[in-house]
Amino acid sequence: EAQVTQNPRYLITVTGKKLTVTCSQNMNHEYMSWYRQDPGLGLRQIYYSMNVEVTDKGDVPEGYKVSRKEKRNFPLILESPSPNQTSLYFCASRAGGGPYEQYFGPGTRLTVT
Amino acid sequence: GQQVMQIPQYQHVQEGEDFTTYCNSSTTLSNIQWYKQRPGGHPVFLIQLVKSGEVKKQKRLTFQFGEAKKNSSLHITATQTTDVGTYFCAGLHVNDYKLSFGAGTTVTVRA
Repeated sequence: EAQVTQNPRYLITVTGKKLTVTCSQNMNHEYMSWYRQDPGLGLRQIYYSMNVEVTDKGDVPEGYKVSRKEKRNFPLILESPSPNQTSLYFCASRAGGGPYEQYFGPGTRLTVT
Repeated sequence: GQQVMQIPQYQHVQEGEDFTTYCNSSTTLSNIQWYKQRPGGHPVFLIQLVKSGEVKKQKRLTFQFGEAKKNSSLHITATQTTDVGTYFCAGLHVNDYKLSFGAGTTVTVRA
């Protein structure tokens, strides 16, 4: 089954404690993204990757890092989480940078206290 | 940056009634996509429009792409409780790889 998986699904952590949210897709997609969803603001892109070892900033990259060492994986790293990073995070992938359907993971609900 | 505006933010609909959500871009789009997110779920792709003036239908849902490729709409007829959720438009700007999402229209249905 074609899918995007994320882990963990729920995470409560404290300010400053480094964390990683994993993302994996099994569709051999080149393009992967991370979004955060906040009430009234829709989906805002954090980082994206056009292919292995190619990443770039989205609209709200501050406080986040990503890596793309393998085509299927695109982890999101919060080196020093802060309460304003409390949000719902989605990983997504699509076949390429063009007009392709985008597949979303199930989401990770992060709370930073 | 390039933005896609979506209105209304909330839509409360009586079951059986119709409603429309609108999406507008400040720049020309190469295509527009629509997604639906059920409560507690993740966005799921509904449809993509590519051509100027294109109209596509999925049962009770009608999607339009404007002649200038700067706006789009989703019209739902005879709303049902299964239509509850948030509908997002997402535009791919010309010469760009980034899908710009609208803020979404959250639909609730009164039985």
